[in-house]
Amino acid sequence: EVQLVESGGGLVQPGRSLRLSCAASGFTFDDYAMHWVRQAPGKGLEWVSGISWNSGSIGYADSVKGRFTISRDNAKNSLYLQMNSLRAEDTALYYCAKDRGGTLEDWGQGTLVTVSS
Amino acid sequence: QSVLTQPPSVSGAPGQRVTISCTGSSSNIGAGYDVHWYQQLPGTAPKLLIYGNSNRPSGVPDRFSGSKSGTSASLAITGLQAEDEADYYCQSYDSSLSGLHVVFGGGTKLTVL
Repeated sequence: EVQLVESGGGLVQPGRSLRLSCAASGFTFDDYAMHWVRQAPGKGLEWVSGISWNSGSIGYADSVKGRFTISRDNAKNSLYLQMNSLRAEDTALYYCAKDRGGTLEDWGQGTLVTVSS
Repeated sequence: QSVLTQPPSVSGAPGQRVTISCTGSSSNIGAGYDVHWYQQLPGTAPKLLIYGNSNRPSGVPDRFSGSKSGTSASLAITGLQAEDEADYYCQSYDSSLSGLHVVFGGGTKLTVL
């Protein structure tokens, strides 16, 4: 059974940093691209960033480019999102998702990030 | 403003058929990228409902179907049930100037009357 477990969320002040993690199990992690998707309270889904199986291809939404960095450690079956210069508008539930042929086939339960002073 | 456009809400009575549209452009759906659909029940993570425009993952009832034509796609739900009340999102890829990005529709809230 595929499991994706996000962690690292919390309350952080504007301008500070936070690092999210996603622990994967139940599948061969280094066979798949992975993504971070967020959902602000009461709002829709917003793609944040994606990374190919070997980290050779990485993409970011314009809203986070230059502030967020996605990475993965295939030896640890883990996906990360380093978030710097956080803003109030980054407040959201952050999901990690497994990509199969362009489809976000499996999702974690999310970790909540709240940016507030 | 989402790259893919969905109606904010649709509704139908139990047993009826509803459709949800997803309109894109020549840089996403019209460029040939597949469309996928997700169902998000209240308080839960999104769940894959339709992949590759019209394919159902194992376990998804055949009451759910998807189609794609030109720069648009549609999700149809027949024989509406109370448990179908949820938010539905379409997803594709977009080859914008800043690279290849995943894009979502703004979501459609389905109300079963």
